[in-house]
Amino acid sequence: EAQVTQNPRYLITVTGKKLTVTCSQNMNHEYMSWYRQDPGLGLRQIYYSMNVEVTDKGDVPEGYKVSRKEKRNFPLILESPSPNQTSLYFCASTLASSYNEQFFGPGTRLTVL
Amino acid sequence: AQSVTQLDSQVPVFEEAPVELRCNYSSSVSVYLFWYVQYPNQGLQLLLKYLSGSTLVKGINGFEAEFNKSQTSFHLRKPSVHISDTAEYFCAVLNRDDKIIFGKGTRLHILP
Repeated sequence: EAQVTQNPRYLITVTGKKLTVTCSQNMNHEYMSWYRQDPGLGLRQIYYSMNVEVTDKGDVPEGYKVSRKEKRNFPLILESPSPNQTSLYFCASTLASSYNEQFFGPGTRLTVL
Repeated sequence: AQSVTQLDSQVPVFEEAPVELRCNYSSSVSVYLFWYVQYPNQGLQLLLKYLSGSTLVKGINGFEAEFNKSQTSFHLRKPSVHISDTAEYFCAVLNRDDKIIFGKGTRLHILP
């Protein structure tokens, strides 16, 4: 089954404790993105990657890191989480260009205390 | 810069009634438009998209949208909603940097 998986689905952590949210897709997509969803703000792009070893900042990259060592994986790293990073996070993948359908993961709900 | 405005944050509608969710965009270049749906506790999935051609686009689950260049709109419609249509709906536009920009979403509440 074609899908995007994220882990964990739920995470409660404390300020400053490094964490990684994993994202994996099995569709051989080149383009992957991370979004955060906040009430009243819709989805905002954090980082994206157009291919292996190619990453770039989205609209709200501060406080986040990403890596793309393999085509299928695109982990999101919070080196020192803060309460304003409490949010719902989505990973998405698509074929080479954004005018193709984006496939979204199920989401990771992160709470930073 | 391209942007998307969804005028209604919430829309209540009775079951089996028609619904229209409004979306306006701003763009000075070729326009690629999308509607995504997010069911409770799930990720987004594509409902339909307009890239070119016919201005009336049909999507999944009986939804359709009409691209109106003169009014810069891409409203989503369904003639008869079902309780299973309860979800949040996002309009999106592709900008000149090949990035997709999402609107803030419209929550559709189906009333029994």
